[in-house]
Amino acid sequence: AQKITQTQPGMFVQEKEAVTLDCTYDTSDQSYGLFWYKQPSSGEMIFLIYQGSYDEQNATEGRYSLNFQKARKSANLVISASQLGDSAMYFCAMREIVRTGANSKLTFGKGITLSVRP
Amino acid sequence: GAGVSQSPSNKVTEKGKDVELRCDPISGHTALYWYRQSLGQGLEFLIYFQGNSAPDKSGLPSDRFSAERTGGSVSTLTIQRTQQEDSAVYLCASSSGTGVYEQYFGPGTRLTVT
Repeated sequence: AQKITQTQPGMFVQEKEAVTLDCTYDTSDQSYGLFWYKQPSSGEMIFLIYQGSYDEQNATEGRYSLNFQKARKSANLVISASQLGDSAMYFCAMREIVRTGANSKLTFGKGITLSVRP
Repeated sequence: GAGVSQSPSNKVTEKGKDVELRCDPISGHTALYWYRQSLGQGLEFLIYFQGNSAPDKSGLPSDRFSAERTGGSVSTLTIQRTQQEDSAVYLCASSSGTGVYEQYFGPGTRLTVT
C-alpha cells in the first residue's frame, strides 16, 4: 500500500521569498511517480510537477522544483520567488508505475495550506 | 483544447435519494478516474477506467456507489440512497494513454446531502 504524509501546519511565506513544502511517502513499489498539485480556493486541481523514482535529477518546472531524496522517502516541493497567487492548498501524490504502462490511481496526502504575505 | 468537464457543479439532495454525477474527459484520454474530497481532506480514490479493461473499483466505499463509462468517453458516477456522509466534492480526472502522464482534473461536483 502507498501512503503520503504531509504534516506541516499552515505555512506562511513573504512574497518573493522561497518556501519548502514537505512530503514523505511510503511504498513497497519499486517503480513509482511523485506528483504535486495545487488547489486554489476555486477548487480546481492544477498539476505542478512530476518526479519519477528512477530519475537521477530533481525535477524542475519554472519556479517549482522537487527536492527528491529517495533514501529518505521524501519529495519536498520548493517554490522560489513566491507570488500572491501561490496562496493555495498543495497536495503531494504518488502512483505506482507498472511494467505494462497502464495508468493507476493517485494516492494523495492531506495537503498543506500556503499563504503568501505581501 | 477543452478540459475535463463535470456536471452539475452543485447538487443538493435529500437523504435517501439517488444522484448521478457526470464527467466528460479530455478528448482522446483513455484513462478516467473518480475521486472524492471531503471538507479539509485530501482526495480519496473511488474508481478508475482504462480503455476497455475492467475498471478498478477498489476505492468505492460501499455498494451504493457505482460508475460506468460509455463508449470509452463520458462517465457517470451514481450514488444510491444517499447518506449525509456522502456530502463531498466529487472530482473526475483523465489522462492520456499509458506511462506516467499526469491526471487532469475537472472542476468537481459539490454534493450536499440534507
